[in-house]
Parts: sequence; structure tokens; C-alpha cells
Amino acid sequence: DMKVTQMPRYLIKRMGENVLLECGQDMSHETMYWYRQDPGLGLQLIYISYDVDSNSEGDIPKGYRVSRKKREHFSLILDSAKTNQTSVYFCASSRGQAETLYFGSGTRLTVL
Amino acid sequence: TQTVSQSDAHVTVFEGDSVELRCNYSYGGSIYLSWYIQHHGRGLQFLLKYYSGNPVVQGVNGFEAEFSKSDSSFHLRKASVHWSDSAVYFCAGGSNAKLTFGKGTKLSVKS
Repeated sequence: DMKVTQMPRYLIKRMGENVLLECGQDMSHETMYWYRQDPGLGLQLIYISYDVDSNSEGDIPKGYRVSRKKREHFSLILDSAKTNQTSVYFCASSRGQAETLYFGSGTRLTVL
Repeated sequence: TQTVSQSDAHVTVFEGDSVELRCNYSYGGSIYLSWYIQHHGRGLQFLLKYYSGNPVVQGVNGFEAEFSKSDSSFHLRKASVHWSDSAVYFCAGGSNAKLTFGKGTKLSVKS
């Protein structure tokens, strides 16, 4: 069953706290992504991972870092969260370039 | 820099009507283009994709899109919409693994 799973679905944190968003996929896809979605802005690419320990900045990487130690898992870390990082975060995976992206259901993060 | 723009933030039609959702891109080289659908509170789901060949591509649930190099467009069409087609539609384009998304068009289908 082709699936991208994101945990948790909802998360509330205080400003300055660390945040860990986790993503898993069961398709052995090489490429994984983290996007954030804000009203009126569409989806913005934070980081892309081409495989284990092969990560690249997207369009808005500032304030974020990622970790990919296994092909099926891709984590997004916010060290000392800020209120402007309140957003819905989507993880996605694909077989590679020009291939279909499979998205998770998203994590709604609120930073107070 | 590649850009993808969707000129309509919101489109409203009646059930059974046809609909066209517009997408224009700006990129200097070869590009692949996709459409995704997002129902409320859900992740995005793939509808269709163009990479090369026949400029008219068919997708799921009766959707199709036509690539035009001269107009730099990749508009999405459906001949007869159903209320369940109400969702936000995103156009996306890329030349490598990085995909750039438009801001989305919310389609509301009235019965």
C-alpha cells in the first residue's frame, strides 16, 4: 500500500521550544521533500532529500534542518521555534526527477 | 528562476458545467508540469502530468490538461464537474527533482 505517514497531525509548541516532525514512506522512494503551506502562498519547498544523508536546501530553509538516516524516514527539525513557523507542513516522496509526488496528510504546527 | 502562476484564486461553477483552471509557467529550458488536487484538510493528490509527447494529457476522474509552449500554459479542464470536484487545485512545474507550486485555485461546485 503506497503511503506517506506524518506524525503528529497536530502540534502546539511555545516559542523557543524544539520541534520534531517525522515522516515515513513505504515505497522505497529515493527522493523526499518537506513543504510548508500557508494561506495565499501555496506550497513552499523547505528541504529536499535525494537519499540517505544527501539533503539539499529548498527555497525557504532558514530556521529548519532535516535528517535522513534511513531511506524510509525523513525528519524536519525546528531548533527554537518561532511564531512565524506556524503553518501546515507536508512531507512528500517520489521515485525521482519528474516523477509523481506522494504526499502525507500534513502536520498543523502552532507556535505560541 | 522558474515560476508557476495560477491567475484565479477562486472559481465557482454549477454541477454539470465545464470548467477550465488556468496555469502559466515561466522557465527557460525543458519543464515538466503537473496538476494536484487537495481536498479540505488533506494532503495533495496527483491528477496528471506532462513531460513530452502529446500535449493533451488525460488524468483521473475525467480531468485533462493541455500543454502549450507558445502560450507557456498548462490549463486543466473537465467537461462536466461533480460536487465532489470541489477542492483546491495546484499546478506545479519543475526541471529536476525540485517542483515549484502555484498558489492554488479553489474550485467550488454548486448543486
